[in-house]
Amino acid sequence: LAKTTQPISMDSYEGQEVNITCSHNNIATNDYITWYQQFPSQGPRFIIQGYKTKVTNEVASLFIPADRKSSTLSLPRVSLSDTAVYYCLVGPASGGSYIPTFGRGTSLIVHP
Amino acid sequence: GAVVSQHPSRVICKSGTSVKIECRSLDFQATTMFWYRQFPKQSLMLMATSNEGSKATYEQGVEKDKFLINHASLTLSTLTVTSAHPEDSSFYICSGGLNQETQYFGPGTRLLVL
Repeated sequence: LAKTTQPISMDSYEGQEVNITCSHNNIATNDYITWYQQFPSQGPRFIIQGYKTKVTNEVASLFIPADRKSSTLSLPRVSLSDTAVYYCLVGPASGGSYIPTFGRGTSLIVHP
Repeated sequence: GAVVSQHPSRVICKSGTSVKIECRSLDFQATTMFWYRQFPKQSLMLMATSNEGSKATYEQGVEKDKFLINHASLTLSTLTVTSAHPEDSSFYICSGGLNQETQYFGPGTRLLVL
């Protein structure tokens, strides 16, 4: 399984753009990169998924460089409600079925 | 996105009793579901992989006889915590997906064992 490394915490202010980077140096050829958001006492919520280059949806963008050894989740104009823990997951593992495994995640705090 | 429900959302039980938690995929069929446990301020820890029609696969350190998993249909997996003790108090979360690389998570079940 590709291990992921994220900053433990980040602080931002309302209206700013937030970029959270995840390192996954041993990502496999057929691995996707998926980001989830989790609020306290709730299950994680799917945000965005990508394989390479850039993916954008209504809530976020995901930037993946050509070597795919890292990825950056970009949240435009954050609000207080974006305060949450963000997890980066990489999978499926090559040659086997996918077991979604969570790292420590990044705790984002958005200040007024 | 796909919807996964859990029941109950929270449960309080006495030490020594058993508690069953249900995980349902409401608008898709899931041959595989995953069960996680999350302690305060920590990440999700995978407990087991629930396979429809076959035995669950447990992670190292998770007692299969204590955490019974049944995946009898394509839309329902259950986790039974047998002879629960206070150290089993935690937040239990399940997930399923249309494909394995995209998982949808239930809202979680808060278990408190007195």
